[in-house]
Amino acid sequence: AQSVTQPDIHITVSEGASLELRCNYSYGATPYLFWYVQSPGQGLQLLLKYFSGDTLVQGIKGFEAEFKRSQSSFNLRKPSVHWSDAAEYFCAVGRGGNKLTFGTGTQLKVEL
Amino acid sequence: DAGVTQSPTHLIKTRGQQVTLRCSPKSGHDTVSWYQQALGQGPQFIFQYYEEEERQRGNFPDRFSGHQFPNYSSELNVNALLLGDSALYLCASSLNGRRGANEQFFGPGTRLTVL
Repeated sequence: AQSVTQPDIHITVSEGASLELRCNYSYGATPYLFWYVQSPGQGLQLLLKYFSGDTLVQGIKGFEAEFKRSQSSFNLRKPSVHWSDAAEYFCAVGRGGNKLTFGTGTQLKVEL
Repeated sequence: DAGVTQSPTHLIKTRGQQVTLRCSPKSGHDTVSWYQQALGQGPQFIFQYYEEEERQRGNFPDRFSGHQFPNYSSELNVNALLLGDSALYLCASSLNGRRGANEQFFGPGTRLTVL
């Protein structure tokens, strides 16, 4: 069965500092991997996705993520966080048009 | 280009009642998936509809049912509501048959409160 683990429930960073959100997955084949962001009371917005090829993927809002097969990880990074990045971030795994399996999310707080 | 829309935005029901939530997919999309997001949790897959049929189902009881119409819009029905059904219900649309089919676009959700 596929699963996603986001070990950090809450993370607080200062504005301008770098950010890394961790994601580990379990999947029987090469997965499709996603990061979504959710602001309070809102739906999910896709930040970036990995299907194949280059293991470092670029997304919107200056985010990037690196797929590491050996570590079953797909960590999200941003070199300099802005106050508007405060939100909840979800990692998800899926393949072939089927369901997405989400992690429990990481709540990001940005200190000014 | 309108994205995924859902109605209503909020809904309050009592235990034992039935509820219907509605979703219109993003223009050009033909597949609709429904997710339940309990407070403090990640979304959980309920089911997916394509060509007006349920194609895949998550671990939800038969009280949860759905429908897809010829225009690709969809409904989620929940019967005999329980307190535990209180959650944000998210609809996501995608385009079948393409590698990006997993790239699901989400609506803003319907917040269901069961009293």
